[in-house]
Amino acid sequence: SAVISQKPSRDICQRGTSLTIQCQVDSQVTMMFWYRQQPGQSLTLIATANQGSEATYESGFVIDKFPISRPNLTFSTLTVSNMSPEDSSIYLCSVEGSGEETQYFGPGTRLLVL
Amino acid sequence: SQQGEEDPQALSIQEGENATMNCSYKTSINNLQWYRQNSGRGLVHLILIRSNEREKHSGRLRVTLDTSKKSSSLLITASRAADTASYFCATDAKAAGNKLTFGGGTRVLVKP
Repeated sequence: SAVISQKPSRDICQRGTSLTIQCQVDSQVTMMFWYRQQPGQSLTLIATANQGSEATYESGFVIDKFPISRPNLTFSTLTVSNMSPEDSSIYLCSVEGSGEETQYFGPGTRLLVL
Repeated sequence: SQQGEEDPQALSIQEGENATMNCSYKTSINNLQWYRQNSGRGLVHLILIRSNEREKHSGRLRVTLDTSKKSSSLLITASRAADTASYFCATDAKAAGNKLTFGGGTRVLVKP
């Protein structure tokens, strides 16, 4: 298993600004995942982040809007850039357990854009 | 597009009753997983069933998988108020690498 923390847990931001979300894991992991969960909806994968390489973005998500850093095997950041009210969501990071096929999720960052 | 579709979207039951929710998917899978989410927080993994398995149990949870129908069900027996949560199926599709694709979720309310 893995224990994951995220900062901030929630934030209220003005449109046009950017917010960086941090994800910290208590063990070294190869792959980290970033998801968005819009109000009342399911999870949508934004991108997969591997240490030492560019993140791989899913269809509909671009690096300019959601830049991701992965400086080491226990940490990643996701930035939501030039925010609009449509970006109001819960953002979750997850990792795959070592040798497992299941994912472990952080508690999420609840973002409200005014 | 979502790989998994779940029904019902919402379910309200009395404590002690059983809760059943279903998940359908579209493409071949390596495995199917069920997760629980309490009040918009992080997801907790419940159970994983592989494509060559038909049924799996974990405590009060029972999961079935029918690959011919591309469907799965999650049964929670003897429900408790603490089981109130949203439940999501997620598929690990053969064509998708390590990525999970989540269904729409079922919101379960267990009334004391």
